[in-house]
Amino acid sequence: SQTIHQWPATLVQPVGSPLSLECTVEGTSNPNLYWYRQAAGRGLQLLFYSVGIGQISSEVPQNLSASRPQDRQFILSSKKLLLSDSGFYLCAWSQTGTGNSPLHFGNGTRLTVT
Amino acid sequence: GDSVTQMEGPVTLSEEAFLTINCTYTATGYPSLFWYVQYPGEGLQLLLKATKADDKGSNKGFEATYRKETTSFHLEKGSVQVSDSAVYFCALAPGGSYIPTFGRGTSLIVHP
Repeated sequence: SQTIHQWPATLVQPVGSPLSLECTVEGTSNPNLYWYRQAAGRGLQLLFYSVGIGQISSEVPQNLSASRPQDRQFILSSKKLLLSDSGFYLCAWSQTGTGNSPLHFGNGTRLTVT
Repeated sequence: GDSVTQMEGPVTLSEEAFLTINCTYTATGYPSLFWYVQYPGEGLQLLLKATKADDKGSNKGFEATYRKETTSFHLEKGSVQVSDSAVYFCALAPGGSYIPTFGRGTSLIVHP
């Protein structure tokens, strides 16, 4: 069966420090991968998505970046965090090839920028 | 563009009450529709889905019917439990697209 791992679960970082959040998927190949942010108020904001290695699409311009160095690995990064980067970050995957496939989410990373 | 509108929360109910969370959508073509649930401190989990008009998705006592004529996908449960307290998200996936559109979520609070 497929599983998704996301870490760390919580993170407290000072303003201006770098960020690296990692997500890996097991049990499937060539998944679509996604990074979402959920700020207070519960709404989901799509940050990045990827349909293959090295293929990253950005939905919102900001000081975050994403990379997909391997088929089932998706990394969210920042060189210098802002206070406004605080939030709950969710990684997700879906089956490639069809819009009928639901998203499968990790357990999220709670990021607090101080 | 595509959009999903959910009723504002929080929805507060007593245990064993009937639940309805309204969801309407705007989309071109024939999207698939989903309900996700998010328990406190966790990621979202797929609750149920429907892929074409008049399909009924069901899981864990929850049901939703894909109504193309009213562009709706309302979530219902006949008797809620305290453990159903969570945030519920309605979403659509346009045919041929892998980018879903989510509603803003509806918080459900169930009291004993």
